[in-house]
Amino acid sequence: AQSVAQPEDQVNVAEGNPLTVKCTYSVSGNPYLFWYVQYPNRGLQFLLKYITGDNLVKGSYGFEAEFNKSQTSFHLKKPSALVSDSALYFCAVRSYGNNRLAFGKGNQVVVIP
Amino acid sequence: SAVISQKPSRDICQRGTSLTIQCQVDSQVTMMFWYRQQPGQSLTLIATANQGSEATYESGFVIDKFPISRPNLTFSTLTVSNMSPEDSSIYLCSVEGAIQYGYTFGSGTRLTVV
Repeated sequence: AQSVAQPEDQVNVAEGNPLTVKCTYSVSGNPYLFWYVQYPNRGLQFLLKYITGDNLVKGSYGFEAEFNKSQTSFHLKKPSALVSDSALYFCAVRSYGNNRLAFGKGNQVVVIP
Repeated sequence: SAVISQKPSRDICQRGTSLTIQCQVDSQVTMMFWYRQQPGQSLTLIATANQGSEATYESGFVIDKFPISRPNLTFSTLTVSNMSPEDSSIYLCSVEGAIQYGYTFGSGTRLTVV
């Protein structure tokens, strides 16, 4: 079975401050990890992924995430948050050979001007 | 990455009726996925649609309620049958693109059942 935990419901951060959205996963075998963002009344937009290679992955809009195998984590980070980053963020995982994604519950990010 | 056109974008339907959602992809893809996102919830996979075979449904979802068609490698439909207010959700289709692009999602269909 594969699963994702996003422990926080909402993340509040002041504009210009670092943003972190937490994600831990459980999967058999090597994980493929993804972050998606959902703006109101919009579909999901791909931010970044980890498949293999460098543990630090850089993605769209200045976001990055670090894969930590020992802690089974894949936290999303942005050095300086913008008000426009306010949205719903989903972490997702699949294992090698299983093309079905498992999503976390999502985190609402609120960037305060 | 693939571009997905999903329609309708939203609809308000009477209970007991059915709605068919269409998903068109601009390239051929082997698998298409249908998700449900209930209000304030995460995405739950309904089924995987394979061209030339019956869809594979996840636990808790049945073909009679959510019939799926996949007539070719660029198109799929999901029907929500005999709707009740509990079916009010966002329904999204998705495809697995090239590995560097991850999965692509349609813009979603916001369904309200009254």
